[in-house]
Amino acid sequence: AQKVTQAQTEISVVEKEDVTLDCVYETRDTTYYLFWYKQPPSGELVFLIRRNSFDEQNEISGRYSWNFQKSTSSFNFTITASQVVDSAVYFCALSEAGLTGGGNKLTFGTGTQLKVEL
Amino acid sequence: DGGITQSPKYLFRKEGQNVTLSCEQNLNHDAMYWYRQDPGQGLRLIYYSQIVNDFQKGDIAEGYSVSREKKESFPLTVTSAQKNPTAFYLCASSPLGSYNSPLHFGNGTRLTVT
Repeated sequence: AQKVTQAQTEISVVEKEDVTLDCVYETRDTTYYLFWYKQPPSGELVFLIRRNSFDEQNEISGRYSWNFQKSTSSFNFTITASQVVDSAVYFCALSEAGLTGGGNKLTFGTGTQLKVEL
Repeated sequence: DGGITQSPKYLFRKEGQNVTLSCEQNLNHDAMYWYRQDPGQGLRLIYYSQIVNDFQKGDIAEGYSVSREKKESFPLTVTSAQKNPTAFYLCASSPLGSYNSPLHFGNGTRLTVT
């Protein structure tokens, strides 16, 4: 069975600090996708990034970067120079290679609440 | 703008009553999903539907029912059989045949049952 673990329940940082959110996953599939979503106080989940199991290149998007390491089954997310607007719950998720007929059934971690204070 | 609309944002019901949560999308997506979010437990899949008139149980389907009569709509009914219905409910959609496609989420409905 698939599983995603986000061991950090809550992280508090001061603005401009760097912060890393950890994500460890378990799967028997050789083909899978990993996602990060942000949930601001308004409630909707906002897609941040997708990574497939065959692409271990790290990715940077502005202040956000992601480190995918298959050897340790981890897909960690780093925010550089954090800002108050980064305060949210962040979810890591794993998808099966595919449902019959398509679709995308995600397994989510329990989320990490990030609080960025002035 | 395309998106997913969930209504209402807040819903209050008495114990023993069935309640239906609305989810409408205009993204022309074939697949739709219902997730439940509880504090400290992340999101758990209740039901999903890949095409009209077809749906499958997720991990926690007991006490819930769905219908998919139209591509755009995927309402969720929380029945009186659901033992702990108070939660935040999120509806999502994705294109069919794209298992690597990100899900698009609505703003959620917070249901409180007393």
